[in-house]
Amino acid sequence: DAGVIQSPRHEVTEMGQEVTLRCKPISGHDYLFWYRQTMMRGLELLIYFNNNVPIDDSGMPEDRFSAKMPNASFSTLKIQPSEPRDSAVYFCASSFTSGNLEQYFGPGTRLTVT
Amino acid sequence: DQQVKQNSPSLSVQEGRISILNCDYTNSMFDYFLWYKKYPAEGPTFLISISSIKDKNEDGRFTVFLNKSAKHLSLHIVPSQPGDSAVYFCAASAGSWGKLQFGAGTQVVVTP
Repeated sequence: DAGVIQSPRHEVTEMGQEVTLRCKPISGHDYLFWYRQTMMRGLELLIYFNNNVPIDDSGMPEDRFSAKMPNASFSTLKIQPSEPRDSAVYFCASSFTSGNLEQYFGPGTRLTVT
Repeated sequence: DQQVKQNSPSLSVQEGRISILNCDYTNSMFDYFLWYKKYPAEGPTFLISISSIKDKNEDGRFTVFLNKSAKHLSLHIVPSQPGDSAVYFCAASAGSWGKLQFGAGTQVVVTP
């Protein structure tokens, strides 16, 4: 399997613009997670889905952030409007309902908002 | 509030010696712990895990020890190899299924 695929790998945008990050989980995985990594806050969970349904979005920082999972093989994280403090690396991860909590991470999207 | 803490941001060790990474947690509800390894420009990859019913789990050169009374776990890498140079994250979860809380990470550098 190709692993978790994220696009783009790098995104540079101006403040106020809309940003959409994309993720394709590993086929057959029924959980999908979006994380953000910053120097200040480390690796923090934003939202996760089970069988395409959002389960917990308590980590989403503001209403400017939204996430969707229209089908089992695709998810998006959207920031509208973007701000410089949103600059971070965003990771998508997926896992089975196996109880061992092992999550498989994508390579991440490095977002820079100027 | 950081519930999982890795107080050593970096660790330098000679090739062939033991690397010991430490992790402390504050939430007594945590009962499953994982270590992840991360190379630059890549996502974290799962390394080893342990549940609270055990105090030790071993996988090749990697051993994780859990001290529940002290709310402390450690990862031992023996012997350390240059390819082990990476950032190591400790993570914890409450319940058989729960969100993972990650520590800040420890940068390990293995020198020749």
